Amino acid sequence: EVQLVQSGAEVKKPGESLKISCRGSTYSFTSYWIGWVRQMPGKGLEWMGIIYPADSDTRYMPSFQGQVTISADTSINTAYLQWNSLKASDSAMYYCARGGTYSSSSYADFWGQGTLVIVSS
Amino acid sequence: DIQMTQSPSSVSASIGDRVNITCRASEVIDKALAWYQQKPGKAPTLLLYTASRLQSGVPSRFSGSASGTAFTLTISSLQPEDSATYFCQHYYHTPPTFGQGTKVE
Repeated sequence: EVQLVQSGAEVKKPGESLKISCRGSTYSFTSYWIGWVRQMPGKGLEWMGIIYPADSDTRYMPSFQGQVTISADTSINTAYLQWNSLKASDSAMYYCARGGTYSSSSYADFWGQGTLVIVSS
Repeated sequence: DIQMTQSPSSVSASIGDRVNITCRASEVIDKALAWYQQKPGKAPTLLLYTASRLQSGVPSRFSGSASGTAFTLTISSLQPEDSATYFCQHYYHTPPTFGQGTKVE
């Protein structure tokens, strides 16, 4: 079955940088969009952005443009979500999710287990 | 951006009850709508896509329907394991957006 395995929880200080990962397996990693979804404590779900690993075509949702960087390494079937300078408001659970094969706007049929990011001084 | 409005925000029901959750889009999205289930402390899982197509492995008591810009998720006979929060999401165009969620207890 398709698996997306995310890196472990992180505790960081404001202003620090962070890169979390999501490794896909049991499917053609380069053939599907893969995106990141934020869930703040006790809140709903927000798509942050999505990448097509085959050509690194990346789309950011307006609220997250310039705030994060999404990338992928096809040699190890891994997608990344990166911050250059964390803020306390970045504290949340982050999920990676597999999108569709053609459109950058799709439903997510498989999800990673989530990476909890805590930013606190 | 297309706004997705779910109702109710929470519902309390008994085992065996029929439960309906509605999601309304702020504009036409055809049938580009998915439903997800999220249990506490877990990642969401896909239940339905294209408004009414059941994802593989999802019990048949879950169904979806559409009428214009209103979409309904129905649980025909509520089971204990269905206690969760349910989210709709449109994918008609970028950015895809989620509803705010409905907690089923």
